[in-house]
Amino acid sequence: GQNIDQPTEMTATEGAIVQINCTYQTSGFNGLFWYQQHAGEAPTFLSYNVLDGLEEKGRFSSFLSRSKGYSYLLLKELQMKDSASYLCAVRGVNDYKLSFGAGTTVTVRA
Amino acid sequence: GAVVSQHPSWVICKSGTSVKIECRSLDFQATTMFWYRQFPKQSLMLMATSNEGSKATYEQGVEKDKFLINHASLTLSTLTVTSAHPEDSSFYICSAYPVTSGRVEETQYFGPGTRLLVL
Repeated sequence: GQNIDQPTEMTATEGAIVQINCTYQTSGFNGLFWYQQHAGEAPTFLSYNVLDGLEEKGRFSSFLSRSKGYSYLLLKELQMKDSASYLCAVRGVNDYKLSFGAGTTVTVRA
Repeated sequence: GAVVSQHPSWVICKSGTSVKIECRSLDFQATTMFWYRQFPKQSLMLMATSNEGSKATYEQGVEKDKFLINHASLTLSTLTVTSAHPEDSSFYICSAYPVTSGRVEETQYFGPGTRLLVL
């Protein structure tokens, strides 16, 4: 099975940086995904890591260490619209199923 | 990016009735689609994998006779909640991986979700 942990809530100020950590213990690993979900809406894709290292996409970056079972999502230059839930998800081997963490609610304050 | 639609976006029904939710891939083919359920302030829980032309595979604890899944074409999967009860009230979301030149893409795309309220 999959066990995926991430903090429940984080608060940060507009313009600041926030790092959301995700640790996982899985029976198989074939990639880690980060999704953003605004209240009442479906998740939208942010990033995908399958190899160790940092993937940068504009204000958002994601890091993966497979040996440590660890990933983080870095949000820079926070904007009010970044207030949302951020979901860490791990994909299993030999299937395309995603197992999701409980999500981290990020609140951006002015 | 690829687009997945769901219909209806929300539905209110009486206890004991059945509700059908459609999931369509609008600009790509999907041999496999996934159905998730999300309760308030909780994460997405995978209910089942919908396979085009064959039976769906259900996750542990999900009643296949209650949540009927049909994947009749490469662009359409339906989830029918049979004899719905108030505890079935939830946000139902489908997703799919586009298949391009016979290769499954890396990213899964989600539909906008269907909010079900059973009275």
